[in-house]
Amino acid sequence: NAGVTQTPKFQVLKTGQSMTLQCAQDMNHNSMYWYRQDPGMGLRLIYYSASEGTTDKGEVPNGYNVSRLNKREFSLRLESAAPSQTSVYFCASSSQGAGTGELFFGEGSRLTVL
Amino acid sequence: KNQVEQSPQSLIILEGKNCTLQCNYTVSPFSNLRWYKQDTGRGPVSLTIMTFSENTKSNGRYTATLDADTKQSSLHITASQLSDSASYICVVRRADTDKLIFGTGTRLQVFP
Repeated sequence: NAGVTQTPKFQVLKTGQSMTLQCAQDMNHNSMYWYRQDPGMGLRLIYYSASEGTTDKGEVPNGYNVSRLNKREFSLRLESAAPSQTSVYFCASSSQGAGTGELFFGEGSRLTVL
Repeated sequence: KNQVEQSPQSLIILEGKNCTLQCNYTVSPFSNLRWYKQDTGRGPVSLTIMTFSENTKSNGRYTATLDADTKQSSLHITASQLSDSASYICVVRRADTDKLIFGTGTRLQVFP
């Protein structure tokens, strides 16, 4: 019963490097989300995908790109990492959309940019 | 401004005691309010979702209340256990969008 799986769990990058965070869900959910969590702040939405084939910006999309590869997978890419992107990233999915349906989160990916 | 404020920021209690966490919000128009539990190093897990018409909702030893008139919610934990040590996050959804607004959480530590 995997739910939402994120990889990698930990990553250290140098400024300017690129990387992709992977997310997969096995609950047949339509909607998927990427959030970041920083100390002293609530989770903030980076990008979301309401359904396969669609993606939209959230509150803090700058410096990120996403791909909804298929119904199961939603990846987050940092093209040129900056220290301000040091954070814990959470992928989430929902059957009905985050507003009405329950959100299921992954375990998080802890990224440090030096 | 649409905000969700939680208090206290942190709380320490002894095992077996009860505690109450508070959430005040200014989000408008209101749709629903959720409480999540987040263990250290893990993702948030939903405890309850409450709509405008629900005043009280329980999930085991967790009881959430909602007063939509005063825009306040509380999460009461009964007979606390060591496993209740976690951050508890209040989240409010705006009725006119699919947007969720997250509070910063209350960190609860339960000691034996």
